[in-house]
Amino acid sequence: DAGVTQSPTHLIKTRGQQVTLRCSPKSGHDTVSWYQQALGQGPQFIFQYYEEEERQRGNFPDRFSGHQFPNYSSELNVNALLLGDSALYLCASSLLGRTSETQYFGPGTRLLVL
Amino acid sequence: KNEVEQSPQNLTAQEGEFITINCSYSVGISALHWLQQHPGGGIVSLFMLSSGKKKHGRLIATINIQEKHSSLHITASHPRDSAVYICAPHPNYGGSQGNLIFGKGTKLSVKP
Repeated sequence: DAGVTQSPTHLIKTRGQQVTLRCSPKSGHDTVSWYQQALGQGPQFIFQYYEEEERQRGNFPDRFSGHQFPNYSSELNVNALLLGDSALYLCASSLLGRTSETQYFGPGTRLLVL
Repeated sequence: KNEVEQSPQNLTAQEGEFITINCSYSVGISALHWLQQHPGGGIVSLFMLSSGKKKHGRLIATINIQEKHSSLHITASHPRDSAVYICAPHPNYGGSQGNLIFGKGTKLSVKP
C-alpha cells in the first residue's frame, strides 16, 4: 500500500517562471492538503482539495492554484515565482470528515527559486 | 502572537535522558497532531489525540483541552530520535478539518 507520493523531489526555477508540483494521496484517501514550509519554520496551510474542488484556503495569493483529479491526485501550481517561494512543499492526504483519521504526509518537493 | 507555541525551540540531550516538549495553543481544536520531521524533510505523524494520553513505544503524548496544552515525552532517548518535532492542532473555528496549524517545531539532538 503506497503512502503519499510527491514529484519532483527537487526543483530549481528562476523568478517569474511557473511551476507545477504533483501529489498522489495514500490509497483510500480522498482529500489532499498542500503546505508550504520555509526554512526553519513550521508548515503553512495553502489549500485543501476534496471532490475536485478547493475546499479551504490559507493566506496565500492567487498565484498559488491547484487542481484535483478524479483519481484524487492533485497538483499545486505557482505562477510568477518569487524568491520567497523557495520552500519545501508538502502534500498530505486524509479522509474528509473522519475525525479519527490522521493526515499522512508525503516526502515533499524542495523548490529553489533563483 | 502565534496561535501555536512550542518550547523549547532547540533541545540537546544525552542518550538515555527523558525528554519533554511542550505545546500551547490559543484556538479551539478538535484534535492535535505530533509530527516528526527528519533532515530530509519527510514528515511522519506520531500521534493524533483529542483527549488524555497516548503511548507508542518510548513516546508518550498528553493533552489537556481545558488548558490548551499538550506535551510529547520521549523516554530513554536515543540518537535516532534526533529530529524536529512539530505540534499541529486541528482548529475547529472553521468548522472543519484539514487546515492544520503548526508550531515552529522543536529541534532535538540526542548525543551518544
